[in-house]
Parts: sequence; C-alpha cells; structure tokens
Amino acid sequence: SQQGEEDPQALSIQEGENATMNCSYKTSINNLQWYRQNSGRGLVHLILIRSNEREKHSGRLRVTLDTSKKSSSLLITASRAADTASYFCATDEDTGFQKLVFGTGTRLLVSP
Amino acid sequence: KAGVTQTPRYLIKTRGQQVTLSCSPISGHRSVSWYQQTPGQGLQFLFEYFSETQRNKGNFPGRFSGRQFSNSRSEMNVSTLELGDSALYLCASSQGRSYNEQFFGPGTRLTVL
Repeated sequence: SQQGEEDPQALSIQEGENATMNCSYKTSINNLQWYRQNSGRGLVHLILIRSNEREKHSGRLRVTLDTSKKSSSLLITASRAADTASYFCATDEDTGFQKLVFGTGTRLLVSP
Repeated sequence: KAGVTQTPRYLIKTRGQQVTLSCSPISGHRSVSWYQQTPGQGLQFLFEYFSETQRNKGNFPGRFSGRQFSNSRSEMNVSTLELGDSALYLCASSQGRSYNEQFFGPGTRLTVL
C-alpha cells in the first residue's frame, strides 16, 4: 500500500515558472527521498532529506520537511520543458531495512 | 560507476507461464530492492536483499520470489503469471543502510497476455 499522498496530482506550468509539489505521509520516518520518472522509465533520484533536517537544496531543487505535520514539499525553480515528468516522494521508515514507501506522484507538464 | 542494469527491458508472456528478471546493482552496493509499478496500485515494494539474505518482504503472494547472488546481482521470479502481473518492475540498489539513497534501474516492462 502507498503511504503518501501527493498534491497536486497534475500540474501544468510555463517554462520559467516555479513548480511546487507537496507530499504527506503517515508514519515516522528515517528519511524522505524525491524521485523523477520520465514516461514510465526508471526512477531518477533527486534528493534525500533526513528526518532531522528541515530544508535541503540541490541546484534548482529545494526540499522542505516538516515531521510534525508529516509533510514535505519539492520546489523546482525556473522550470524547463525538460523537467516534464512525474515526481514521487518516498519515505524510508525507521526500521533499519531498505524499504521505500512511495506517494501517488505528481505529473508535471512544463510548456515552452 | 556504471548504473543499475536490468534485463530484459521488455518481456511478453502468457498467463500461467513463469518469468525471471535480472538486476545488476551498482558496483559496491550490497542491497537490491524490487518494486512493482502499475497504473492502479502505483509503486509497491516487493522485497529487499542484502548480502544474499532477504531482509524485508512486501505484501505480495508467494508466486513472487527472489534471490541474490554473492556478487550482489539479484533475480526475481514470478510463477504462474496472471494478467494483473503486467507491470513495470524496477530494481534499486544501495549500500544497504536505511539512510542511503536508492538508485533505480530502467525497469523491465512485463506484459502478460
């Protein structure tokens, strides 16, 4: 079963605009990771934020984590057409094992 | 370093058959996890292997099984295929700690007719 819900389910913006995606989850976690998937291909790892971190940056990506609200957001600044993809959050529960529980995903369309 | 590789990339089978999928992790990674992705259920965890031992298993029937070899390569097997097994099967490799990133392969697209 999926733990996370992502919001919105779909997002359509113009190049140059910012895109924000939100993820909510249900249990306590060790870390939260964001992935991108292009057209049913493999998942590309974007960023990992640990449970004791509140914000993390990587290039045009900014991720926040609020463990009290069990939520995270991914901000992509200055979007490009190449950013068009589905974005998933995945939580790694504090079990000591590797098991990612994925959200439902956000489909992002960036138009030129 | 080479990325995670999966073979075959595409597979067509008929109901009742069995199938074996292969995954080669990133060099040095000892953990391999398998996930199933379908339009209806999304991404679901199947199982994880670390140093040839299954450490964790998702909620899938016993028709789904796997193994890991001493070189960390992993295979997953699905027996008595059903139409609902049609999916993208993804494997991910990592160093094995719960705080490590998982890196995914391109997936194997399985179609069951």
